[in-house]
Amino acid sequence: GAGVSQSPRYKVTKRGQDVALRCDPISGHVSLYWYRQALGQGPEFLTYFNYEAQQDKSGLPNDRFSAERPEGSISTLTIQRTEQRDSAMYRCASSVREESTEAFFGQGTRLTVV
Amino acid sequence: GQQLNQSPQSMFIQEGEDVSMNCTSSSIFNTWLWYKQDPGEGPVLLIALYKAGELTSNGRLTAQFGITRKDSFLNISASIPSDVGIYFCAGQEGGSNYKLTFGKGTLLTVNP
Repeated sequence: GAGVSQSPRYKVTKRGQDVALRCDPISGHVSLYWYRQALGQGPEFLTYFNYEAQQDKSGLPNDRFSAERPEGSISTLTIQRTEQRDSAMYRCASSVREESTEAFFGQGTRLTVV
Repeated sequence: GQQLNQSPQSMFIQEGEDVSMNCTSSSIFNTWLWYKQDPGEGPVLLIALYKAGELTSNGRLTAQFGITRKDSFLNISASIPSDVGIYFCAGQEGGSNYKLTFGKGTLLTVNP
């Protein structure tokens, strides 16, 4: 597509439920990044994929968070047993080259845990 | 983790005025970037800086990579209403060519 596409745009879930957030990167982009942005803050790094390989997951807050990119294109960020503190904007970005700082961000998924 | 101090937190200026914002870090960065975020959108890259002392312009925007590698500033000249938004600085430390640390942002309001 023309840009990084994320779905859903908004997600409201009850505490304890699992959620899956989807990212469709720009076609041909090899690198994909997940960031989390709290209100009034800048994005914080969660994880990085190069093709289908998860190269860095050091930013994932705990083991309830996981991400995959099985075919090197679409990625899913899954949060199990959601908690209210998980509420935030989750942003995906992609770049055409490996390990590039010049990444293009999607519009994000606003997650609200009630 | 690494913290970036971005200032000011917000600015309210008149159309036509110049504006300056800056970012400092406690450690050395190899790359500095400046992003703009419009309401409901993701951050959009404005300027990327790769060398200490580098001064780069993009239209009315000018950014510099501080000589100490611990700071950067962004100037916007002759502001217009569409400059409204949140401006983020971001830096990349050595050892990682992809992980960005973002500042908290500067909210810019331009009064027509």
